[in-house]
Amino acid sequence: DGGITQSPKYLFRKEGQNVTLSCEQNLNHDAMYWYRQDPGQGLRLIYYSQIVNDFQKGDIAEGYSVSREKKESFPLTVTSAQKNPTAFYLCASSITKTNEQFFGPGTRLTVL
Amino acid sequence: AQSVTQPDIHITVSEGASLELRCNYSYGATPYLFWYVQSPGQGLQLLLKYFSGDTLVQGIKGFEAEFKRSQSSFNLRKPSVHWSDAAEYFCAVGAGTGRRALTFGSGTRLQVQP
Repeated sequence: DGGITQSPKYLFRKEGQNVTLSCEQNLNHDAMYWYRQDPGQGLRLIYYSQIVNDFQKGDIAEGYSVSREKKESFPLTVTSAQKNPTAFYLCASSITKTNEQFFGPGTRLTVL
Repeated sequence: AQSVTQPDIHITVSEGASLELRCNYSYGATPYLFWYVQSPGQGLQLLLKYFSGDTLVQGIKGFEAEFKRSQSSFNLRKPSVHWSDAAEYFCAVGAGTGRRALTFGSGTRLQVQP
């Protein structure tokens, strides 16, 4: 059953700690994306990767880092430099030609 | 740069009534257009998409949308709303091959009254 998985569904972090959110896809898509969603603000792009070992900053990359060592995986690290990390994080992958994106179920991160 | 505007933040309709959610985009060429739906605490599900051809596109769950180039719009419609349609709806525009991610509107929250 093809799709995108994100783990964990809920994540709690203390201030000053780094945390890594997992995103895995078995759709054989080249491109993958991370979005942040806050109430009333829609989706904002954090990072995206169109091919393995390459990625670009999105609109709100400060305080975040990513890696793309495998086609299937695109983990996001929320660092202590991110000033307001509490949010809902969505991972997506796409058919590059059309940018039709498929989304994972999301991870809700809460900083205590 | 492309942009998307969803002018209605919140819409309430009665069950069985018709629905139209507005979406206006800004992009220099013919865009790829999408509508997604999101239930609370969930990811986004694709409802329908427009790439080219027939400007009236059919999607899942009885939704349709019409691309109007002259008005830069891609409004979503459903003839009869069901209580299960209550969710948040996002319009998005993409620029195609080799370009970055989709640009999303800020969303429209749909409430359905019994």
